[in-house]
Amino acid sequence: KAGVTQTPRYLIKTRGQQVTLSCSPISGHRSVSWYQQTPGQGLQFLFEYFSETQRNKGNFPGRFSGRQFSNSRSEMNVSTLELGDSALYLCASSLVGPKTYEQYFGPGTRLTVT
Amino acid sequence: GNSVTQMEGPVTLSEEAFLTINCTYTATGYPSLFWYVQYPGEGLQLLLKATKADDKGSNKGFEATYRKETTSFHLEKGSVQVSDSAVYFCALISGAGSYQLTFGKGTKLSVIP
Repeated sequence: KAGVTQTPRYLIKTRGQQVTLSCSPISGHRSVSWYQQTPGQGLQFLFEYFSETQRNKGNFPGRFSGRQFSNSRSEMNVSTLELGDSALYLCASSLVGPKTYEQYFGPGTRLTVT
Repeated sequence: GNSVTQMEGPVTLSEEAFLTINCTYTATGYPSLFWYVQYPGEGLQLLLKATKADDKGSNKGFEATYRKETTSFHLEKGSVQVSDSAVYFCALISGAGSYQLTFGKGTKLSVIP
């Protein structure tokens, strides 16, 4: 079974631009979560989607948004990029059921804002 | 709120040495506990988990026991290999219906031959 895939793997953007990152979950997984990883703040939860609905949201500004499609694929968008948004963005998927707490991560998208 | 505290790294060990990485947590209710590992340039891999007190999670020679009385979930391995060099993260999920992992800061392990 294929793992979680994220595209693109690397991205360079300029301050003020916006960016969209994509995540395809493991087949059959309907919950998708996003995390930001930086050297200073570590791993921080952004949001989680299930059945095209956002169920949980972390403490990030409104510039960070996401959505989920009917096939469970998810995208996250960051508008008006700031230098501090440079990070590794990780997507994780999980089943909904008895093993729902096991989250499987993709390789991440490395975003650099200049 | 929930929080996870891990021992500060980096940790450098010789091959075949014994490994312990300490992890303590603060959470409401009865959290599920996890150890994830991140190899250079990769995402996170679930290493092991425990969902209730006194559960022992194990995988690839690594073990951790859920200790509710000490709110701890220390990671151990009896004999490390060079291939175990990575960053290890302790994490928890707490709260009914929550899918939000709370992570520790991570501990970088380097194993030298």
